[in-house]
Amino acid sequence: QSVLTQPASVSGTPGQRVTMSCSGGSSNFGNNYVYWYQHVPGMAPKLLIYRNNQRPSGVPDRFSGSKSGTSASLAISGLRSEDEADYYCAAWDDSLSGSWVFGGGTKLTVL
Amino acid sequence: QVQLQESGPGLVKASQTLSLTCSVSGASISRSDYYWSWIRQPPGKGLEWIGYVSYSRSAHYNPSLKSRLTISVDTSKNQFSLELSSVTAADTAFYYCARLAYSGGYDPDLFHPWGQGTQVIVSS
Repeated sequence: QSVLTQPASVSGTPGQRVTMSCSGGSSNFGNNYVYWYQHVPGMAPKLLIYRNNQRPSGVPDRFSGSKSGTSASLAISGLRSEDEADYYCAAWDDSLSGSWVFGGGTKLTVL
Repeated sequence: QVQLQESGPGLVKASQTLSLTCSVSGASISRSDYYWSWIRQPPGKGLEWIGYVSYSRSAHYNPSLKSRLTISVDTSKNQFSLELSSVTAADTAFYYCARLAYSGGYDPDLFHPWGQGTQVIVSS
């Protein structure tokens, strides 16, 4: 059971906008940022969003992140076939001595 | 371009020690503004952070693994390593190494880049 909760799957058609959620708790989302990673199986995971809504250079502006309270979401607009991947949210958790925690991942299928 | 590559045995017997190495190219592991981390993904499950180490050998571990875990750096080889003792089937996973960098705050927070991962199976 992952500390952060994500839906197992979402799907969309090319060109569509999709969103996926990530929910946490006060010890992680309460005072800390949310990060998103994209993982195409067989390849290295890739940083997609940092500090809730910032995009690293090279990440298209089709990807956007937001956070409100203990929930966060990732939106992908203009969906493309190459967006098909697993998406993970992450945050620092202040409980115990502190640790990074991840969600269970959301599988995005482009129909 | 920074690249990370995991290496190590793909099969480990239960109760033994799992040892993996991450080779870093394109960046010095001795830089003080980076930490070096391990993350794993058990079959059918999400990602689990294992721990990280700095060039000065200061380490921080996942509390759930701390008693069995050692992460170390070898600056002469530009590598860092993971040792997990007394493994069980629950330690079967894909293991990834990643650089942990600063995005501008007090603590490093960006896992970027990652290696492609290496599969480790714990056999009985």
